[in-house]
Amino acid sequence: AQSVTQLDSQVPVFEEAPVELRCNYSSSVSVYLFWYVQYPNQGLQLLLKYLSGSTLVKGINGFEAEFNKSQTSFHLRKPSVHISDTAEYFCAVSGGTALIFGKGTTLSVSS
Amino acid sequence: DTAVSQTPKYLVTQMGNDKSIKCEQNLGHDTMYWYKQDSKKFLKIMFSYNNKELIINETVPNRFSPKSPDKAHLNLHINSLELGDSAVYFCASSQGGSFELFFGSGTQLSVL
Repeated sequence: AQSVTQLDSQVPVFEEAPVELRCNYSSSVSVYLFWYVQYPNQGLQLLLKYLSGSTLVKGINGFEAEFNKSQTSFHLRKPSVHISDTAEYFCAVSGGTALIFGKGTTLSVSS
Repeated sequence: DTAVSQTPKYLVTQMGNDKSIKCEQNLGHDTMYWYKQDSKKFLKIMFSYNNKELIINETVPNRFSPKSPDKAHLNLHINSLELGDSAVYFCASSQGGSFELFFGSGTQLSVL
């Protein structure tokens, strides 16, 4: 069965600093990988997805992620964060007929 | 127009009551889901419907009963509410086997 591990539950960072949110997955079959963002009191919004092809995926709001099959990772990066990036970030892997989510990483950006 | 809409946004009720949450999507998707997000933000799949047919029914108490009158709607009825049912419930939809989910804004259920 597929599973997702988000290695950091909380990531505090200063504005304009780079950030990396780590995600590892486990699967015996090919998977699709996703990052979603949840702003306070809102639903989840798709940031980016990896289906196939180029391992470097660019998403909205300046985020990007790199699929690494050998390390079974799909880390999310942004070179310079803003206060408005403060949110909960979820990594997800396709499993059966639904997405399986990691436990989330809280990104807190301060000035 | 909101792509995936849920009502109500907040639901406060007493233990033992029965309540329903409604979900509608106008994206033309054929698959709809219910996810539960607990107080620690963990998201867990509860049910999945494809073209009105139940596809996934995770280990969920049978007090929870989904109903899909058509492929644009997926409602969740909960009987005999318990304190542990307090959570945020998200509806989502996707097209075919894409796995790209579009989420509603959630229903925060508080059982007192």
